[in-house]
Amino acid sequence: EAGVTQFPSHSVIEKGQTVTLRCDPISGHDNLYWYRRVMGKEIKFLLHFVKESKQDESGMPNNRFLAERTGGTYSTLKVQPAELEDSGVYFCASSRGTSYEQFFGPGTRLTVL
Amino acid sequence: GQNIDQPTEMTATEGAIVQINCTYQTSGFNGLFWYQQHAGEAPTFLSYNVLDGLEEKGRFSSFLSRSKGYSYLLLKELQMKDSASYLCAVLSDYKLSFGAGTTVTVRA
Repeated sequence: EAGVTQFPSHSVIEKGQTVTLRCDPISGHDNLYWYRRVMGKEIKFLLHFVKESKQDESGMPNNRFLAERTGGTYSTLKVQPAELEDSGVYFCASSRGTSYEQFFGPGTRLTVL
Repeated sequence: GQNIDQPTEMTATEGAIVQINCTYQTSGFNGLFWYQQHAGEAPTFLSYNVLDGLEEKGRFSSFLSRSKGYSYLLLKELQMKDSASYLCAVLSDYKLSFGAGTTVTVRA
């Protein structure tokens, strides 16, 4: 079974530009999560999808961040416009049904210059 | 709010035992997870405790005391490949809240 995949692995952009991160969860996993780790801090929750619906987006930092999961399969996280403090590693995770075990992807390292 | 504390770094010798402690104060609790993360890779699941007591899985064991807000991860017969970051995370309403991670260095 393929794991959670994320694209790109690295992204370097300038302040004010737009970046879109993609996550492909494990096939059949209804739950999809986005987390992020900024420099020197712990991994923090951003939001949770159940299929195509946003179940909890309490961790989204502001309205420059937009997450979508059209069709309930892969998800995208768009940052527009990017700011310096958005730099960090963005992780995606997925889980099956009511299972608590979340499987993580390798993350996208975003650098905003 | 969520407050999860674990030591920043630990060093141990190959073949030895290391215990990583984690204390937490959270607004909800559906279980405690330990993840292992090698640099540049995905966090990988090690253990899950929802009831008090010890869960053993091979060389790794995890303990939970809900009344004390305390858990530990025990790594036995350390190997060089165990050098990694170990993350304590509390689950509440499907959200994981993480500690900052403990970097374990195994020396020959």
